[in-house]
Amino acid sequence: ETGVTQTPRHLVMGMTNKKSLKCEQHLGHNAMYWYKQSAKKPLELMFVYNFKEQTENNSVPSRFSPECPNSSHLFLHLHTLQPEDSALYLCASSQETGWPEAFFGQGTRLTVV
Amino acid sequence: AQSVTQLDSQVPVFEEAPVELRCNYSSSVSVYLFWYVQYPNQGLQLLLKYLSGSTLVKGINGFEAEFNKSQTSFHLRKPSVHISDTAEYFCAVRDGGSQGNLIFGKGTKLSVKP
Repeated sequence: ETGVTQTPRHLVMGMTNKKSLKCEQHLGHNAMYWYKQSAKKPLELMFVYNFKEQTENNSVPSRFSPECPNSSHLFLHLHTLQPEDSALYLCASSQETGWPEAFFGQGTRLTVV
Repeated sequence: AQSVTQLDSQVPVFEEAPVELRCNYSSSVSVYLFWYVQYPNQGLQLLLKYLSGSTLVKGINGFEAEFNKSQTSFHLRKPSVHISDTAEYFCAVRDGGSQGNLIFGKGTKLSVKP
């Protein structure tokens, strides 16, 4: 248990569906991150939030929409995804952005059909 | 920009044998270095980290890594592996003293055979 909880663990969705991934951290951190992990590729940083403000968006398509209502919760809203979006989506948190160490959740395995 | 190279995508090894997983990073004035482990169907768990001080860093589960600035390397070692060490291992780097994010290597799959 790392203190970062992601739900659901697995999600299968059609290309026309709308779904959301949830991340919650109980570590008192102020920075939260979404990463995408695809087979045979390095982890890709998608979004960074610091004190609820988005500080980084790494050219992520608009079909991915993050939301950070408070420092403990982070959502990733999904709509009209493509099959190539199938991947493991990992949430992480750190004390603040630039803090050396990050803690990861167990991930959501997303399959787009 | 920082980059991380993990030279081996897969490393098969027999139980109780020693193992070394290699990691090289692009040069920078100062860096923070990490090794994470990912067990099947799990997220990433921090194994060990180098922030400053001693270049030999000890982590959980008997792993250790050595920071070599001249060779820009941070290789992970374990003197005797167990079946339970079968997992994927990721090396990561962050520029020290900046707002830079973690940059990950592509990972090395360690398979421990009986």
